Amino acid sequence: DAMVIQNPRYQVTQFGKPVTLSCSQTLNHNVMYWYQQKSSQAPKLLFHYYDKDFNNEADTPDNFQSRRPNTSFCFLDIRSPGLGDTAMYLCAARTGGMNTEAFFGQGTRLTVV
Amino acid sequence: AQRVTQPEKLLSVFKGAPVELKCNYSYSGSPELFWYVQYSRQRLQLLLRHISRESIKGFTADLNKGETSFHLKKPFAQEEDSAMYYCALRGFSGNTPLVFGKGTRLSVIA
Repeated sequence: DAMVIQNPRYQVTQFGKPVTLSCSQTLNHNVMYWYQQKSSQAPKLLFHYYDKDFNNEADTPDNFQSRRPNTSFCFLDIRSPGLGDTAMYLCAARTGGMNTEAFFGQGTRLTVV
Repeated sequence: AQRVTQPEKLLSVFKGAPVELKCNYSYSGSPELFWYVQYSRQRLQLLLRHISRESIKGFTADLNKGETSFHLKKPFAQEEDSAMYYCALRGFSGNTPLVFGKGTRLSVIA
């Protein structure tokens, strides 16, 4: 059974129209990550949460926001998507111990038109 | 700053040949190192971690702190090993990010 679930799998949005991607986990893990992965590139970390502590990577655009209302759910909000935001968005969860495995969702493929 | 370098975008080997996927890292403290794999149309998943010192699917990786490397090796490649492989690093303390290299696509030719 999938432990990290991302919805939707595919999302098409118009340039400038706000969009929200969601992630849920059944693992009760306290660490969650959002990554952006463009074609043939490495997953690029956007944010991560350690419990309620929110960490924003320095080069994450201001256009990108995140919410984590409880342990299980995490959202990625893109306020005004640009064409360059077309990418696969990956969510992952990990327990906060040392050398622990990050469990990934299937990803949401976002296309901005 | 954390950095992971995978110098090869694509590595093609024949079935039965040895495989080595290179990974070098840069981190000032004690790192935790991982290899993740993504098979076609599947999610990214952990292959192995340096602390475990185990062989998974015939793959091993040794952390060499002197050379700051964590190369992934397998003595005899199989067709089912064809996938995208990512080396990843995390700092030893609790609240540090998990950072990925750009990945190497391994293609095993029959």
